[in-house]
Amino acid sequence: AQSVTQLDSHVSVSEGTPVLLRCNYSSSYSPSLFWYVQHPNKGLQLLLKYTSAATLVKGINGFEAEFKKSETSFHLTKPSAHMSDAAEYFCVVSDQEYNFNKFYFGSGTKLNVKP
Amino acid sequence: KAGVTQTPRYLIKTRGQQVTLSCSPISGHRSVSWYQQTPGQGLQFLFEYFSETQRNKGNFPGRFSGRQFSNSRSEMNVSTLELGDSALYLCASSVGQDTGELFFGEGSRLTVL
Repeated sequence: AQSVTQLDSHVSVSEGTPVLLRCNYSSSYSPSLFWYVQHPNKGLQLLLKYTSAATLVKGINGFEAEFKKSETSFHLTKPSAHMSDAAEYFCVVSDQEYNFNKFYFGSGTKLNVKP
Repeated sequence: KAGVTQTPRYLIKTRGQQVTLSCSPISGHRSVSWYQQTPGQGLQFLFEYFSETQRNKGNFPGRFSGRQFSNSRSEMNVSTLELGDSALYLCASSVGQDTGELFFGEGSRLTVL
């Protein structure tokens, strides 16, 4: 069965320092992978997606993620955190089953950015 | 292009009542899925509709139901509300048949007293 593990439930960084949010997945096929961000009382917004093209994926707001098949990882990074990055981040895996996609969500990582 | 629209954004109900939430997907999207989000359980998948048919279902009791109309708009209904049903209910739409991503609405915040 497919699964997504976000290794940290909370991450705290200082403004201007790098961000690393970790995600490991298990999948029987070639998955599509996504990172979403959720600000308080808002819906989820797509940050970036991997769909078997380049392994290094660039997203919005300076975020990027690298797909490593050998490590079954899809970690999210940003070189320099901004206060506005404080939010909850979800790693999502999508697999094709019976000709449609099923989505599997990680448990989320709350990012705190200190001034 | 308009995004996913959910109504109402906030609502308060009492135990035993029922509630109906609405979701209008992005134009051209045929798949609508629903999620319940709570601090304790996180994001949990409720069900997905594609072309008016329920295609996938999560592990929720029968009190939770949904439907999709011919214009792809979807509603979900929760009957006999319990305190534990208090949550943010998120709707997401997608094209439905490729590796495309989900597009989420802002959610409907349900409080059960």
